[in-house]
Amino acid sequence: EVQLVESGGGLVQPGGSLRLSCAASTFTFSSHWMNWVRQAPGKGLEWLASIKEDGSEKEYVDSVKGRFTISRDNAENSLYLQMHSLRVEDTAVYYCSRSSSGAYDVWGQGTMVTVSS
Amino acid sequence: DVVMTQSPLSLPVTPGEPASISCRSSQSLLYSNGYNYLGWYLQKPGQSPQLLIYLGSNRASGVPDRFSGSGSGTTFTLKISRVEAEDVGIYYCMQPLHTPVTFGQGTRLEIK
Repeated sequence: EVQLVESGGGLVQPGGSLRLSCAASTFTFSSHWMNWVRQAPGKGLEWLASIKEDGSEKEYVDSVKGRFTISRDNAENSLYLQMHSLRVEDTAVYYCSRSSSGAYDVWGQGTMVTVSS
Repeated sequence: DVVMTQSPLSLPVTPGEPASISCRSSQSLLYSNGYNYLGWYLQKPGQSPQLLIYLGSNRASGVPDRFSGSGSGTTFTLKISRVEAEDVGIYYCMQPLHTPVTFGQGTRLEIK
């Protein structure tokens, strides 16, 4: 079964850092753009970042540029999101997703990040 | 940024009846290859989003044929021919053509 499993979420203080991971299985990870999307409590979906198959291109939403870094390790079939300078408003469930045929066709179960003092 | 506007935001439907959700984008989603880069997603209660429709009108694998997508350019529609109880949740349209990728506000479908 094609699967994405996020990990690394938790409680962090404002200004802190966290690194999220997304483990991919049962598909050729290196053949797909990958993405991070988040959902604040009770809110809609917000795209954060995307990374090309070989990691050579990265795109970010303005609100996280300079604070978040997307990366991948194709040998480990893993996607990452390094988050710095976290703010209360970054509190959300963070999803990784796979791009295919112009859509996000596989989503993980999400990992919760809570930024609070 | 491309603004995605969905309507209605709330959609109460009687089981067996049809339902329709509109999504309008502030810029065209029609790419030079002839495809419309518009997808529809359903987030069931307590679950991750799941892909229903990609490239405007293509059903994703495993999606029942009661779901259909149509439209081009800046105006798109998701139709459910006969709503079932399992269709409850929030429906989102999304455009991945222009950076930043943007989602609609979501349409909450509930059963009457």
